[in-house]
Amino acid sequence: KAGVTQTPRYLIKTRGQQVTLSCSPISGHRSVSWYQQTPGQGLQFLFEYFSETQRNKGNFPGRFSGRQFSNSRSEMNVSTLELGDSALYLCASSLVLPPGEQYFGPGTRLTVT
Amino acid sequence: DQQVKQNSPSLSVQEGRISILNCDYTNSMFDYFLWYKKYPAEGPTFLISISSIKDKNEDGRFTVFLNKSAKHLSLHIVPSQPGDSAVYFCAASDSQGAQKLVFGQGTRLTINP
Repeated sequence: KAGVTQTPRYLIKTRGQQVTLSCSPISGHRSVSWYQQTPGQGLQFLFEYFSETQRNKGNFPGRFSGRQFSNSRSEMNVSTLELGDSALYLCASSLVLPPGEQYFGPGTRLTVT
Repeated sequence: DQQVKQNSPSLSVQEGRISILNCDYTNSMFDYFLWYKKYPAEGPTFLISISSIKDKNEDGRFTVFLNKSAKHLSLHIVPSQPGDSAVYFCAASDSQGAQKLVFGQGTRLTINP
């Protein structure tokens, strides 16, 4: 079975721009979650989508948004980029149960200059 | 507020010996706990989990212990192998936000030959 794929792997953007990251989950997984990893804050939950609906949300500003398509693929968007948005963005897919057992992609490294 | 804490940023263990990684949590609503391993340039990989109704779960060389009264869990790796060198993350979830994982800051484990 193919793993979780994320595109692009690396991205450099300028402050004020917006960015869209893509995630393809493992076949059969309907839940997709997004996390931000930074050296200072560690791994932080952004949001989770299940059956095209946002089911959980972390404590991030509204500039961070996402969506899920009918084939379970997901995208996340960050608008009006700030320097502090530079991070590794990880996508994870999972079955409904057991809770929390997620399969992560390799991540997208976003650098904001 | 850090709800999941891994107080040791790093740990060095001799090959063949036991590695013990520790994790504390503060939120009593957490009822499912997981350990993930992360190599550089890869996403975290699920290792082992434990439900709050258990106090021990074993999978090969990996055993997780949960002490609910102390809000503490630990991961034991016996025997430690060089391939175990990685960053280990403890994570927790509650049944309300089952796929919303709260991660600790990670412990870098180095296995010395």
